[in-house]
Amino acid sequence: ETGVTQSPTHLIKTRGQQVTLRCSSQSGHNTVSWYQQALGQGPQFIFQYYREEENGRGNFPPRFSGLQFPNYSSELNVNALELDDSALYLCASSPPDRGYGYTFGSGTRLTVV
Amino acid sequence: DQQVKQNSPSLSVQEGRISILNCDYTNSMFDYFLWYKKYPAEGPTFLISISSIKDKNEDGRFTVFLNKSAKHLSLHIVPSQPGDSAVYFCAASVAVASQGNLIFGKGTKLSVKP
Repeated sequence: ETGVTQSPTHLIKTRGQQVTLRCSSQSGHNTVSWYQQALGQGPQFIFQYYREEENGRGNFPPRFSGLQFPNYSSELNVNALELDDSALYLCASSPPDRGYGYTFGSGTRLTVV
Repeated sequence: DQQVKQNSPSLSVQEGRISILNCDYTNSMFDYFLWYKKYPAEGPTFLISISSIKDKNEDGRFTVFLNKSAKHLSLHIVPSQPGDSAVYFCAASVAVASQGNLIFGKGTKLSVKP
């Protein structure tokens, strides 16, 4: 298994800007989820994509959006960044038969100043 | 309102002894529970899970116990090893409806002393 790769590892953005975070999943992992982990908190579900369609969403505003591509890569886009968006963003993927055996990437640490 | 609570932010245990990490939940609809382990600068790693139709699941040194009436689960690590030192997250889900939505606790940092 090649694992789940996220880029970049660290990022600093200014309030009001837009950011795109990327995730590369393992071949065959057609389910990808994105989580936000604020300091001292557990990961919080943003949304899930299955076969390039969003099929589940947590309590996040529409300025958080995503894309999933046929090559098992995906993106998380955040518009109009706010200071509270500063967090670790985690991508997790799973093959069809693994249920909740998600494989997480190491995350992207986003700092909004 | 936290649906999954890990009330101990940290736990220190001697090598070779048992580590017991606790987790409480409030949503009676949860029917699937997982434990993840996280090292610094790495993503969470799946450890063990349990369905609500069971009260115990064992995998090597790791055992998860579920008490549905008390809405409580615990992770036992026996024997504890220094390499087990990490942050442990409890997570829960309503499997049918969740579509990937795992609800995580805040985590417990386990330190295993040699």
